[in-house]
Amino acid sequence: AIRITQSPSSLSASTGDRVTITCRASQGISSYLAWYQQKPGKAPKLLIYAASTLQSGVPSRFSGSGSGTDFTLTISCLQSEDFATYYCQQYYTYPRTFGQGTKVEIK
Amino acid sequence: EVQLVESGGGLVQPGGSLRLSCAASGFTFSNYWMSWVRQAPGKGLEWVANIKQDGSEKYYVDSVKGRFTISRDNAKNSLYLHMNSLRAEDAAVYYCARARSLGDSSPPDYWGQGTLVTVSS
Repeated sequence: AIRITQSPSSLSASTGDRVTITCRASQGISSYLAWYQQKPGKAPKLLIYAASTLQSGVPSRFSGSGSGTDFTLTISCLQSEDFATYYCQQYYTYPRTFGQGTKVEIK
Repeated sequence: EVQLVESGGGLVQPGGSLRLSCAASGFTFSNYWMSWVRQAPGKGLEWVANIKQDGSEKYYVDSVKGRFTISRDNAKNSLYLHMNSLRAEDAAVYYCARARSLGDSSPPDYWGQGTLVTVSS
């Protein structure tokens, strides 16, 4: 199975900060990577697919980049509603695998 | 509006069985791959299974192979997860999710609210 290593596991940031989260795949997955946001007690929400394509309705402060094995999610100007846990997922092959998650907390 | 509503969760003893259901509405269910994804309490997301539009292809995470079966009834717009030989480590919130596009290589975009499965004696 493809292992996805996500970092950091948590971070503290302030509103207005630029935040970067990374995922590294144990083998190449082309651009078959998605990013999700999850708030406590809620289902995950798709933010980005195909590594860099913004899902409809998602604010443009979210962006994704990368291909192959290294990927990045960037939140350009953190808003209060962005404090949540973020996951990446590869859908290049089975079994689908997720990163361990990054909890973005208020500094 | 796309809606996915899971049901069937509950408390089950180790070794027991449970069937989860997911009622879909607001889209043409038979056109989409569907998934089950689970999340143990306080833990991350784990993909469980995928099923093709016509049910002819099914994929599972290794830890549930031979114990869980994903199925669908397109006439009833419903997705199912039959879970047998349940273990403590299967305890989780189980989410039903729809693929973003018609192909297999597509991440889930719509998710249900989840149904909680507790495995305990």
